[in-house]
Parts: sequence; structure tokens; C-alpha cells
Amino acid sequence: QSALTQPPSVSGSPGQSVTISCTGTTRDVGGYNYVSWYQQHSGKAPKLIIYGVTKRPSGVPDRFSGSKSGNTASLTISGLQPDDDADYYCCSYGGDNTWRLFGTGTKVTVL
Amino acid sequence: EVQLVESGGGLVQPGGSLRLSCSASGFAFSSFAMHWVRQAPGKGLEYVSGISHNGGSTYYADSVQGRFITSRDNSKSTLYLQMASLRGEDTATYFCAKEHSPITSAFDSWGHGTLITVS
Repeated sequence: QSALTQPPSVSGSPGQSVTISCTGTTRDVGGYNYVSWYQQHSGKAPKLIIYGVTKRPSGVPDRFSGSKSGNTASLTISGLQPDDDADYYCCSYGGDNTWRLFGTGTKVTVL
Repeated sequence: EVQLVESGGGLVQPGGSLRLSCSASGFAFSSFAMHWVRQAPGKGLEYVSGISHNGGSTYYADSVQGRFITSRDNSKSTLYLQMASLRGEDTATYFCAKEHSPITSAFDSWGHGTLITVS
């Protein structure tokens, strides 16, 4: 049950784009289209921003997009805004023996 | 509006026990799987446990297997986490989370969390 691997931090200026990777294995990220992404502001509960690899819940801006290639999923934030400054976590279904795995988390800093 | 409210957190000695509750409203509780996720101070999210919509299936992370039990009372729209043999590394904020749907495996609603301190 090792956590999915994310870069510890990424940064960008307002208006720029950043991409966060989430690397797993064929038993989780690569094996299912069940990757989700969560945004967490300091001291708050996580918020779902991407599910099913690419889908956005109602109310989530289309500046947030998801993709997957092999065992690596990615979250791209386009047109960075100050409120995007937060921690981001990926999560994947891991089969019947590992219901869910979270990523190690990435701190996005808007410069 | 979906609401999840955790309760039962607090300070407990190593080796002690505690029961968390998560009261749900605003959705058909009995139709959705529910989950517990924790976050140690300054650390990342860790998936702890899940339970199917009818309580027939449960899952536990290796770190809590044999010490924690997840249950639910659909008549009361309440999720529980019974924790025993608590250790320092169990110190964390515990969130309950609602499953988006069986075919997405995502968590679309979260409680505010309740802090457990084992010391």
C-alpha cells in the first residue's frame, strides 16, 4: 500500500499553467480510470476537483483538467489564480485489496 | 445540501479506545459507500477505511487493520469508526467522506474533520 508519487511542490505566476503528476503502478493508476484529484486549502477539508481521470464536478472551473498516460495521471491548472494556492492530492482505486490510495501531495504556490 | 459532521475526537492515551461518529444529511445515506480519511498534523491524506452502502463490505488500511472497525447505521444516517489500541501515529484529523458513485470511486463530500490526539 505505497502512496502514489507526486512532486512536493510546483509554482507559477498568475495566468500561467502548472501540471502536477501522480505516478502509480498497473495495480492502481494504470489499471483503472478511477483517478480523482482534490484541492485542500490550509485548515480546510479537501474538495473534489477531478474524478474519473478527466471529469469535473459541477462548479469546478474548466481551468482544471485531468489526464492519464500509462501509470501516471496528471492535473493541469491553467490561468493560475491566487486562490489556486493550495495542496493537491491525487487518489486512485487500487482494486479489491486496496480500495483507495492517495498521492503524497503537491503544494502549489502562486507567486 | 450534503452535510457530514464528525464528532468524538479528543485526547486519548496510548493503548486507549475512541469511537468517532459521522452524522450525514442531505442525501440518501443508505445508497452510498462511506469512507474515513485521516491527515496527521502537517502531513498528507491517508485512506483509512471504507464501508459499502449496506455495510456488507469493509476495507481497512494495513496501518489500522485489526485495531479499527468501521460500521454504519443507515436508520440513523450515521457512520462510525471504533478505534482501539491507539498509538501516537494515529494522531490526526479524521475526515468522513461520501462516495461520489460506485463507478467513479471519488469522494464528493467531506466533513470538517475531528482531531484525535494520542498522547
